[in-house]
Amino acid sequence: SQQGEEDPQALSIQEGENATMNCSYKTSINNLQWYRQNSGRGLVHLILIRSNEREKHSGRLRVTLDTSKKSSSLLITASRAADTASYFCATDDANDYKLSFGAGTTVTVRA
Amino acid sequence: GAGVSQSPSNKVTEKGKDVELRCDPISGHTALYWYRQSLGQGLEFLIYFQGNSAPDKSGLPSDRFSAERTGGSVSTLTIQRTQQEDSAVYLCASSLHRSGGATEQFFGPGTRLTVL
Repeated sequence: SQQGEEDPQALSIQEGENATMNCSYKTSINNLQWYRQNSGRGLVHLILIRSNEREKHSGRLRVTLDTSKKSSSLLITASRAADTASYFCATDDANDYKLSFGAGTTVTVRA
Repeated sequence: GAGVSQSPSNKVTEKGKDVELRCDPISGHTALYWYRQSLGQGLEFLIYFQGNSAPDKSGLPSDRFSAERTGGSVSTLTIQRTQQEDSAVYLCASSLHRSGGATEQFFGPGTRLTVL
């Protein structure tokens, strides 16, 4: 069953704008990860944030985690056309190592 | 180094036939996962192998689905008597196993299965 749920389902922005998407989950976790998928094929890992971390940066990506609200956000700053993709959050159950993925947010960056 | 590879990249089969999907994980990765993704949907967990431990098969949707991992490396996902609802992209991923929770997973390009 899916644990993470992303919001919004779809997002369309102009190149140069920021894109923010959110993920909510239901049970305690060890880590939360964000992945990107282009053209419906393999996923690429973007960033991992541990349950004892609140914020993490990687290049133009900023991830926050609020374990009290069981939610995370992914911010992409200064978006580019190449950022057009689907973005998924994935969580692992505190007692397990397999990941549960949400349905994803589809981001379209208009040139 | 080489990433996760999957074969075939596309498979079209007739309803009722058996299919085998192959995954070659990254060398040294002890954990291997299979997922299924239907059009426009998220990933559905199927099965997880970790070292020599018994696999976690809790995500397999029916007894028509099975998977094995030989020698702790290559894995094969078999679907018997395929049905049209089995049509999806089947994704394989591998990762290192460390304490403290799931680590980064490296995904293959997937096999797109179409059951006619």
